[in-house]
Amino acid sequence: DGGITQSPKYLFRKEGQNVTLSCEQNLNHDAMYWYRQDPGQGLRLIYYSQIVNDFQKGDIAEGYSVSREKKESFPLTVTSAQKNPTAFYLCASSIRGKGWGSGYTFGSGTRLTVV
Amino acid sequence: AQTVTQSQPEMSVQEAETVTLSCTYDTSENNYYLFWYKQPPSRQMILVIRQEAYKQQNATENRFSVNFQKAAKSFSLKISDSQLGDTAMYFCAFMDNNAGNMLTFGGGTRLMVKP
Repeated sequence: DGGITQSPKYLFRKEGQNVTLSCEQNLNHDAMYWYRQDPGQGLRLIYYSQIVNDFQKGDIAEGYSVSREKKESFPLTVTSAQKNPTAFYLCASSIRGKGWGSGYTFGSGTRLTVV
Repeated sequence: AQTVTQSQPEMSVQEAETVTLSCTYDTSENNYYLFWYKQPPSRQMILVIRQEAYKQQNATENRFSVNFQKAAKSFSLKISDSQLGDTAMYFCAFMDNNAGNMLTFGGGTRLMVKP
């Protein structure tokens, strides 16, 4: 079955550490996205990529970095510059061009906690 | 920039009854899509229903239907015959083709279905 896989499900980070969240899709979608969700709040866009080797900042990109070397993969690195990284992170993908209004397919999320 | 507003942070409904969740949005675009996503306690985002802005007919998916008022920029979700499994966060979201297929989310409404 096609879908999006996020790993790990839970991640703990020490102060000053960089950590990388994995997102892999086998839906042949061109576009991929990273959102952050804080408790009781909506989703805020961190980064997005519409094509391999290209990505753009979203609304809250500071302290985060991404890469898009393969169509299937869009890893998110939470750097030590992100002062409040504890949150739930969701990865999504979508079609571009014809069929663009079909919405997103989401992964199951990664819960990141600073210890 | 588009904004999406959900004015009801929390709602409750008795099992088997009907509930309506509100959503308003702001855009100058004419060609766009609107979505309702459900996020149960598992935190998996699930697409409930979508509406194309150029279609006047309101979308319906089984017990879920929308009231789309384009001039008023309103997009409410009606859940009929509420079930315990409908307990979740519900997010309204907006997408237009000119914004790189990005979804803009509202802050969410927490719905509790009571037995």
